[in-house]
Amino acid sequence: KAGVTQTPRYLIKTRGQQVTLSCSPISGHRSVSWYQQTPGQGLQFLFEYFSETQRNKGNFPGRFSGRQFSNSRSEMNVSTLELGDSALYLCASSLGQGEGSNEKLFFGSGTQLSVL
Amino acid sequence: DQQVKQNSPSLSVQEGRISILNCDYTNSMFDYFLWYKKYPAEGPTFLISISSIKDKNEDGRFTVFLNKSAKHLSLHIVPSQPGDSAVYFCAASDYSGGGADGLTFGKGTHLIIQP
Repeated sequence: KAGVTQTPRYLIKTRGQQVTLSCSPISGHRSVSWYQQTPGQGLQFLFEYFSETQRNKGNFPGRFSGRQFSNSRSEMNVSTLELGDSALYLCASSLGQGEGSNEKLFFGSGTQLSVL
Repeated sequence: DQQVKQNSPSLSVQEGRISILNCDYTNSMFDYFLWYKKYPAEGPTFLISISSIKDKNEDGRFTVFLNKSAKHLSLHIVPSQPGDSAVYFCAASDYSGGGADGLTFGKGTHLIIQP
């Protein structure tokens, strides 16, 4: 079974630009979550999508948005990039059996975003 | 406000000895705890988990202990092997309480196994 696939692996953007990251979950997984990893803050939850709906959201500004398609693939968008957005963005998928289920997340290798 | 804390940024252990990684949390609503392992340039991989109704869970060389009264958990690796060198993240969730904030991660502990 293929794992979680994230594209691209690396991105370099400049301040003010926008960026779209892509994630393909494990086949059969319906939940996709996004996390931001920075050296100072560790892994921070961005949002989770299930059946094309945003189910949960972390404490990030509205510049960070996402969506999920009918095939469970997900994209994350960051508009008006700031230097502080430089980070490793990780996507994780799970079966998504519903809130209250303690599910393991399976992570992709991430997209390393550098904002200059 | 950091709800999950890993106070040791790094830990060095000799091969064959026991590695003990610690994690403290502040949110009493957390009811499920996980440990993830991360190698450079890879995403975190699930290692072991424990529900708040238990105080110990074992899987091969890995054992997680939970002390709810102290809001503390630890991961024991016995014996430590060179391939265990990685960054270990502690994570917590409060799904059963209706919380839906994803997993809350600590900042990680870099474990280095010395030959």
